[in-house]
Amino acid sequence: QVQLVQSGAEVKKPGSSVKVSCKASGGTFSSYAISWVRQAPGQGLEWMGGIIPIFGTANYAQKFQGRVTITTDESTSTAYMELSSLRSEDTAVYYCARDPTGSSWLRFDYWGQGTLVTVSS
Amino acid sequence: QSALTQPASVSGSPGQSITISCTGTSSDVGGYNYVSWYQQHPGKAPKLMIYDVSNRPSGVSNRFSGSKSGNTASLTISGLQAEDEADYYCSSYTSSSTLLFGGGTKLTVL
Repeated sequence: QVQLVQSGAEVKKPGSSVKVSCKASGGTFSSYAISWVRQAPGQGLEWMGGIIPIFGTANYAQKFQGRVTITTDESTSTAYMELSSLRSEDTAVYYCARDPTGSSWLRFDYWGQGTLVTVSS
Repeated sequence: QSALTQPASVSGSPGQSITISCTGTSSDVGGYNYVSWYQQHPGKAPKLMIYDVSNRPSGVSNRFSGSKSGNTASLTISGLQAEDEADYYCSSYTSSSTLLFGGGTKLTVL
């Protein structure tokens, strides 16, 4: 059974960075693409970017270019999302999600449980 | 890129059918058959209901169906049940090799 388990909630100061992890189990980690999707309180879903572990290449939504970095550690089957220069508008639940096609971000069949990141002074 | 356009809310009575639209452009919805639909209950992670415009993952009820015409995709739920009450989001692959979500539609079962 595939599982994506994310790290716990974070409280950060404006201007700082946050790094959220997503540990995969039950599948072949390098065979699937991983994306990060966020959801601000009461708002919709927003794709931030994704990575294809076997290639190590990431692609980001224009909105987050220069501020987000997505990486993977194949030795631990873990994906990471680091967001810098945090502001209050970044307060959201951050999800990792798996694309089974392995080649891009076409659909997400498994999701992590979500990590709440709160940005507050 | 702007989010795909969905109605903010739809409603229907048990047993009825409803349709949620998702409008994009020729650079996303109209250009690729990579439209997906997700169901999200409050406080839960989204669940994949339809992928590649009209395919249902294993375990998803056949009351859920998807289609596309031009730049607009649609999700139809037939035989509405109380448990279908949730938020629904469409998504589409784009010509920029990114993914766009719709703004979401709140389904109320009356």
